[in-house]
Amino acid sequence: EADIYQTPRYLVIGTGKKITLECSQTMGHDKMYWYQQDPGMELHLIHYSYGVNSTEKGDLSSESTVSRIRTEHFPLTLESARPSHTSQYLCASSRGGGASGANVLTFGAGSRLTVL
Amino acid sequence: SQQGEEDPQALSIQEGENATMNCSYKTSINNLQWYRQNSGRGLVHLILIRSNEREKHSGRLRVTLDTSKKSSSLLITASRAADTASYFCATAAFSGAGSYQLTFGKGTKLSVIP
Repeated sequence: EADIYQTPRYLVIGTGKKITLECSQTMGHDKMYWYQQDPGMELHLIHYSYGVNSTEKGDLSSESTVSRIRTEHFPLTLESARPSHTSQYLCASSRGGGASGANVLTFGAGSRLTVL
Repeated sequence: SQQGEEDPQALSIQEGENATMNCSYKTSINNLQWYRQNSGRGLVHLILIRSNEREKHSGRLRVTLDTSKKSSSLLITASRAADTASYFCATAAFSGAGSYQLTFGKGTKLSVIP
């Protein structure tokens, strides 16, 4: 079973609220990622980190922000949630792929956010 | 940009039958991976095939890769009701930042009827 944990699993909040989605992994992986996935659709990379104090934006523009102060922790924050942010957010981690580029991801169970 | 495209979008078969899903991609890759996602859950890695490999097996899974056609297929033999899930291919390509990025397709939704 994957050692990567996301909380909360489900969150229903009103417009304008600040929310933080937590993601923690116990595998000592250097790389961590946040994907956004609408029902029945593909995953879109919104943020990633290659290590402590490293964060980059992904392919899909997102109003969320992330931080990586500790190796095991990669929280995602929305300062002011809107209905357009309603989606499932998946956190993942991997070891450094190196030249082999293996980059196999371990995913958390996801956080399903609904903004009313 | 969309890299992997799975086909079909949905597939319904009887238990015991084989299920075949296809993935096409557009650019050069380092490797191609298949993941499985149960409804409302995260993805689970199934199998990885490198660009210099043509076929790989893992239990009831068989993956092929044709780099000349930029396509891959995932075969699940003797399917079970528990195989019901969405299956995603993901292509790993050099990102230019000293690492590789994975790009996921839209997935194939497999339903195995008992």
